[in-house]
Amino acid sequence: DTGVSQDPRHKITKRGQNVTFRCDPISEHNRLYWYRQTLGQGPEFLTYFQNEAQLEKSRLLSDRFSAERPKGSFSTLEIQRTEQGDSAMYLCASSFAMAQYFGPGTRLTVL
Amino acid sequence: EDQVTQSPEALRLQEGESSSLNCSYTVSGLRGLFWYRQDPGKGPEFLFTLYSAGEEKEKERLKATLTKKESFLHITAPKPEDSATYLCAVQARRTSGSRLTFGEGTQLTVNP
Repeated sequence: DTGVSQDPRHKITKRGQNVTFRCDPISEHNRLYWYRQTLGQGPEFLTYFQNEAQLEKSRLLSDRFSAERPKGSFSTLEIQRTEQGDSAMYLCASSFAMAQYFGPGTRLTVL
Repeated sequence: EDQVTQSPEALRLQEGESSSLNCSYTVSGLRGLFWYRQDPGKGPEFLFTLYSAGEEKEKERLKATLTKKESFLHITAPKPEDSATYLCAVQARRTSGSRLTFGEGTQLTVNP
């Protein structure tokens, strides 16, 4: 399968812990995106990379969130000091032209 | 600020009963409008990109159309496997290559 992959698929953590998610985009795609989706809502944009450069960050991305794409391939999203409000599906997408192709998501539950 | 409103929130159809989903949008300079399908617990699956008013795209039982203010997703003779949430999103010219702004989706259920 050559689609976008995300790991882990599910993560349960306690409030105050740090968590890190990984995204592997489609291999020839130079753009990578992170979105967050809560139940009954559409995905909300968090941040965007073109190659290894982080070009845009949403105001939703507080200081506790950091994302990297060190070699322009895979990306990581870290959340420090998790809060219950961080519980959501974290989606990664990649693109080469217009259409963005999404991975299966990481479901985060903060207890 | 870009805005996308989808209606209805939920739609229940009988198999074979055609209908349309609506996506109204406000964006300063549309670069593209996108339709996605999302099954429970999965990521959105890309369906169509529309670029300009009057454009139409088709895929199996689905046809997407675009005007200057809204887009429609027409479903002809739906089958139970078409049951999913359908998401509409826009990308503005000023954010070329960047963010999509999504609506909240229409949850479609097709009964056999």
